[in-house]
Amino acid sequence: GAVVSQHPSRVICKSGTSVKIECRSLDFQATTMFWYRQFPKKSLMLMATSNEGSKATYEQGVEKDKFLINHASLTLSTLTVTSAHPEDSSFYICSAKTGVAYGYTFGSGTRLTVV
Amino acid sequence: DQQVKQNSPSLSVQEGRISILNCDYTNSMFDYFLWYKKYPAEGPTFLISISSIKDKNEDGRFTVFLNKSAKHLSLHIVPSQPGDSAVYFCAASPSGNTPLVFGKGTRLSVIA
Repeated sequence: GAVVSQHPSRVICKSGTSVKIECRSLDFQATTMFWYRQFPKKSLMLMATSNEGSKATYEQGVEKDKFLINHASLTLSTLTVTSAHPEDSSFYICSAKTGVAYGYTFGSGTRLTVV
Repeated sequence: DQQVKQNSPSLSVQEGRISILNCDYTNSMFDYFLWYKKYPAEGPTFLISISSIKDKNEDGRFTVFLNKSAKHLSLHIVPSQPGDSAVYFCAASPSGNTPLVFGKGTRLSVIA
């Protein structure tokens, strides 16, 4: 089945530094990827929609200069958290449409801790 | 405004009994619904889905029921097993290349 590989699974960084999270579609081409963030005991909140070869579309309230999304190829989308702060600590998950009708697959998630 | 609602944050069920997880939605444009299972520190995994043209879809121990007039769907797990203990998210999608809208999830605990 369609697989999305997400790395790293866990990262700890210092305040003020940047962290890059990668999502790769392994056996299919993902023209669109979605980036979600999950706070403890909360739902998955959509942050942005990433389209290959074009600018990402950010949800209201998400700082596009802080959460940089690049979707340079049909198999890779990256989310870079710039100048990270402790409040950016969260669980980030990517998702891609598999091309099969209504098929979505998710990465395994990245636990970011900013200290 | 929350378009997909899971009003029960948690549910405990005895092993072997039926687990019923509920989900309500407000957007009549949703035409496809999905249930995902999620363990801590992992991404969601797809469980079962249903199109708005159906009212029931069954896959092994999992059955999803859709009541369009009530804008309500439910996931039935029978018999429940301890390995089913996880957070279950209801998600909905309008047609097209649009992201899923998730409920807040229900934590299911199946007690042996």
